[in-house]
Amino acid sequence: DTAVSQTPKYLVTQMGNDKSIKCEQNLGHDTMYWYKQDSKKFLKIMFSYNNKELIINETVPNRFSPKSPDKAHLNLHINSLELGDSAVYFCASSQDIGQGAGYFGAGTRLSVL
Amino acid sequence: AQSVAQPEDQVNVAEGNPLTVKCTYSVSGNPYLFWYVQYPNRGLQFLLKYITGDNLVKGSYGFEAEFNKSQTSFHLKKPSALVSDSALYFCAVRDTTGGFKTIFGAGTRLFVKA
Repeated sequence: DTAVSQTPKYLVTQMGNDKSIKCEQNLGHDTMYWYKQDSKKFLKIMFSYNNKELIINETVPNRFSPKSPDKAHLNLHINSLELGDSAVYFCASSQDIGQGAGYFGAGTRLSVL
Repeated sequence: AQSVAQPEDQVNVAEGNPLTVKCTYSVSGNPYLFWYVQYPNRGLQFLLKYITGDNLVKGSYGFEAEFNKSQTSFHLKKPSALVSDSALYFCAVRDTTGGFKTIFGAGTRLFVKA
């Protein structure tokens, strides 16, 4: 039973399209995160939600909009996709905001053509 | 501002030998420190963390790390490397004095040769 699951695993799309990535955790954790890993494997946090409340909002384009319908879900919607958005996006969760991301999903590989 | 450095892009070690993957950090307050491993085409897996207490932290798969406050280091170690340990290792730090952002190092690729 996967702790942090994200869908889809692969996403190939054209520039200018809008797409969403879904994430769910079944650990009962309060905090969820989105990270972006670029082609050089560098990881950078994008957003963090604690009990559905936005806690961390890094300097990402406002084309990226996270949505947390409940504390078990944190979805990522991306408008007007650009070539530079191609990356692997990881969802993660932790018991609370103080713990740091402990459990990661398998990642969504986004390719913008 | 907090930062974390992994000075080696790659570490090569023979199977059965001890391994060390280095990490140094900079925070304004007390750090939370983490190590993660990433296997090819997989998500990150948590290995261990230091929050407080004993400077030597034991984690998954036989790994351990030593927190050294004076040297601001948190090196990952294992007494005897396995070929299956070959992966990408990330050190991460969170500054506890405000803000909840965890910063990751650039990663160190570990190759264990049979």
